[in-house]
Amino acid sequence: EDKVVQSPLSLVVHEGDTVTLNCSYEVTNFRSLLWYKQEKKAPTFLFMLTSSGIEKKSGRLSSILDKKELFSILNITATQTGDSAIYLCAVLIFGNEKLTFGTGTRLTIIP
Amino acid sequence: GAVVSQHPSWVICKSGTSVKIECRSLDFQATTMFWYRQFPKQSLMLMATSNEGSKATYEQGVEKDKFLINHASLTLSTLTVTSAHPEDSSFYICSARSVLGTYEQYFGPGTRLTVT
Repeated sequence: EDKVVQSPLSLVVHEGDTVTLNCSYEVTNFRSLLWYKQEKKAPTFLFMLTSSGIEKKSGRLSSILDKKELFSILNITATQTGDSAIYLCAVLIFGNEKLTFGTGTRLTIIP
Repeated sequence: GAVVSQHPSWVICKSGTSVKIECRSLDFQATTMFWYRQFPKQSLMLMATSNEGSKATYEQGVEKDKFLINHASLTLSTLTVTSAHPEDSSFYICSARSVLGTYEQYFGPGTRLTVT
């Protein structure tokens, strides 16, 4: 059975801190790993990672994939209160296009 | 671009009634749409995959006679919760994949269903 596990489940930090969120996976026929941010409604897309070792960056957010060790990290630097959300990691499988989501990490930024 | 809408955004219905939720891709054509359910403080669970013009594929444990999915066009899929029960109360989210062949899924804003 395909499995995606995120850690920590929740994290509370002060504004300005840097955080690292983890996502590990055990799936057959891996295609890509995606990161989403979910506030009150549906998830919004952050990154799609397909190749190992290539960092993707968008402002204060960055992410990288390690296909040998089967994990990805999402880094957020200089956190702001607007970064408070649930961050979801999902794995896309070859052949059926389905996304398998992890449990999510609830990030809370204290002003 | 790549906007997906859902209607209604929230609905309250009585136990035993049916509720239809629409998912539309507004500025692109979607070969495939996905329906997810999310319970409070839990992650998204895929319910079914629907392809335009064919029957939906349901995940294990999801009753296809209870959750009817229709994908009549490249921009519209509907989920009908039949004979709703309070345990069906949840946040239902759809996503759509473009015909252009990228694997990214674009999510709708979700529909919160409460069954009383």
